[in-house]
Amino acid sequence: AQSVTQLGSHVSVSEGALVLLRCNYSSSVPPYLFWYVQYPNQGLQLLLKYTSAATLVKGINGFEAEFKKSETSFHLTKPSAHMSDAAEYFCAVSDPLLGGTSYGKLTFGQGTILTVHP
Amino acid sequence: DADVTQTPRNRITKTGKRIMLECSQTKGHDRMYWYRQDPGLGLRLIYYSFDVKDINKGEISDGYSVSRQAQAKFSLSLESAIPNQTALYFCATSAVSGNEQFFGPGTRLTVL
Repeated sequence: AQSVTQLGSHVSVSEGALVLLRCNYSSSVPPYLFWYVQYPNQGLQLLLKYTSAATLVKGINGFEAEFKKSETSFHLTKPSAHMSDAAEYFCAVSDPLLGGTSYGKLTFGQGTILTVHP
Repeated sequence: DADVTQTPRNRITKTGKRIMLECSQTKGHDRMYWYRQDPGLGLRLIYYSFDVKDINKGEISDGYSVSRQAQAKFSLSLESAIPNQTALYFCATSAVSGNEQFFGPGTRLTVL
């Protein structure tokens, strides 16, 4: 079974500082990996996704994530935080194999709330 | 217009009442999903449907039922609501060929 662990339910940074949100996964096959963002009172919006192409994935709003198979990690980073980045972030994993037991389904981590201080 | 819509956006109900949450999509996707979100638990899958004739239970289906009325519509019902079903509910869709899901704005349900 696939699983996702996000280390740190709350992360607080100063505006302009590096943002690092951690995600580790467990999967029997190299998975597809996703980061979603949820702004207050809104649904989830896709930030970026890894689908077995380049291991460094660039997303919207200046975010990027690196797939590290040896560490089973997919950490999300942004070089310089902006106040508008304050939101909850979710890492998710999916089985990439058509016909696999979890194909088409996402397993989410617990979420990390990012606070950005002026 | 939004691609995935949910109605109602907010609902307060009482224990024992039957309630239906509705989801519609204009993305033309065959696959639809219902999740609930609770603080600190992320999103958990309640039910999913890979086409109109295909309905599957997710990890937390007890106390819930669904109906796929058409490709574009997927409803979630609570037959007899209880307070621990108070949560934020999301509908999502995806294409057959992809794993990326597209989410609606959510329904905040409170069961008193």
